[in-house]
Amino acid sequence: GAVVSQHPSRVICKSGTSVKIECRSLDFQATTMFWYRQFPKQSLMLMATSNEGSKATYEQGVEKDKFLINHASLTLSTLTVTSAHPEDSSFYICSARGAQAPTEAFFGQGTRLTVV
Amino acid sequence: DAKTTQPNSMESNEEEPVHLPCNHSTISGTDYIHWYRQLPSQGPEYVIHGLTSNVNNRMASLAIAEDRKSSTLILHRATLRDAAVYYCILASSGSGYALNFGKGTSLLVTP
Repeated sequence: GAVVSQHPSRVICKSGTSVKIECRSLDFQATTMFWYRQFPKQSLMLMATSNEGSKATYEQGVEKDKFLINHASLTLSTLTVTSAHPEDSSFYICSARGAQAPTEAFFGQGTRLTVV
Repeated sequence: DAKTTQPNSMESNEEEPVHLPCNHSTISGTDYIHWYRQLPSQGPEYVIHGLTSNVNNRMASLAIAEDRKSSTLILHRATLRDAAVYYCILASSGSGYALNFGKGTSLLVTP
């Protein structure tokens, strides 16, 4: 299947700083990318959907000024957690889909963010 | 979005078939049924998806009820590597086919 690469896989940052997570589709053009957050022993929660060249659509309750999403190209989307706090510590996962929705989505390996 | 209902957990013996059920009684006519699985500390992995007809691929089979209100993921011979959380998800055109994950079924495979 197609490959989605997420970087970094693990990051520790100080409270109040910002962290950027990259999501790349390596062998296909990702028309749509999705960002999820997963707390321990819970399911994935969809945070936002982004289409290349457009502003991201955020799910209810997700602060768009805190979680900045950029999808400037068909192979790259970034999630920036601004002014991170310990409660933002979580497993962040990106997903990408090509133009032929509703075919399968491909997921990155996830980023474990720890805010200290 | 239409919701799905899955058992919290199931157990299977290695090399035996596994049938993972999913109820989606409020499914709409254009909703696709997707299955993904997730191992600990990894991103989900696509398993299979379908609309109305049964589907087969190298990983599994998807049996969809005639009224589409339920479906079953079939793993023909479970291996230890199939132990994971399996998610049944309805993808709706109204939400851009975004995948909203429920709680899923935790599958335990014993040797």
